[in-house]
Amino acid sequence: GENVEQHPSTLSVQEGDSAVIKCTYSDSASNYFPWYKQELGKGPQLIIDIRSNVGEKKDQRIAVTLNKTAKHFSLHITETQPEDSAVYFCAARFYLTTDSWGKLQFGAGTQVVVTP
Amino acid sequence: DGGITQSPKYLFRKEGQNVTLSCEQNLNHDAMYWYRQDPGQGLRLIYYSQIVNDFQKGDIAEGYSVSREKKESFPLTVTSAQKNPTAFYLCASSTAGRTGELFFGEGSRLTVL
Repeated sequence: GENVEQHPSTLSVQEGDSAVIKCTYSDSASNYFPWYKQELGKGPQLIIDIRSNVGEKKDQRIAVTLNKTAKHFSLHITETQPEDSAVYFCAARFYLTTDSWGKLQFGAGTQVVVTP
Repeated sequence: DGGITQSPKYLFRKEGQNVTLSCEQNLNHDAMYWYRQDPGQGLRLIYYSQIVNDFQKGDIAEGYSVSREKKESFPLTVTSAQKNPTAFYLCASSTAGRTGELFFGEGSRLTVL
């Protein structure tokens, strides 16, 4: 079935360093890949997304890259700050023959800890 | 402000009892979703609804039930048939179509005593 693998499960970085989280997906028809940030005790919030017609997208200190051939995509956070500490989830949208909207399949999450 | 409101935030239940989690949105979104979150397992889809009076099972629907009588509301009932109900439950909504962004509520934490 549909599967999204996310690595690493935990990531500790020094403030100011970069953090990279990688995800792979199984369905070659997937065309939408969002990233969510979840702070402790709260619901996830979308931080950036990418569609399959582009290879890279940036928003200030955050960037996402997509390699459709290899079926993997990555989140890059530069100049990390303590407020970047959170759990990050990747997701990929899968399409079923009976459901034209598709559904999001989430990775298991990465706990990012930024130490001052 | 528009958003998704989940209640209660914390809920304790005895084994054998049904419990209903509330989810209300004022974003005028067509689609609503329920996810379950367990440590190290990401978000798993329980049920979703793309239109009023219609809903579909997700990946882990057994032991759960939902209704969608109003566009704004999508309550989830955790029944006594759910074998391991202790978890963090998240409600979400999105606009119609293939690329609708998911907006999440703050979650409800259910603990079975």
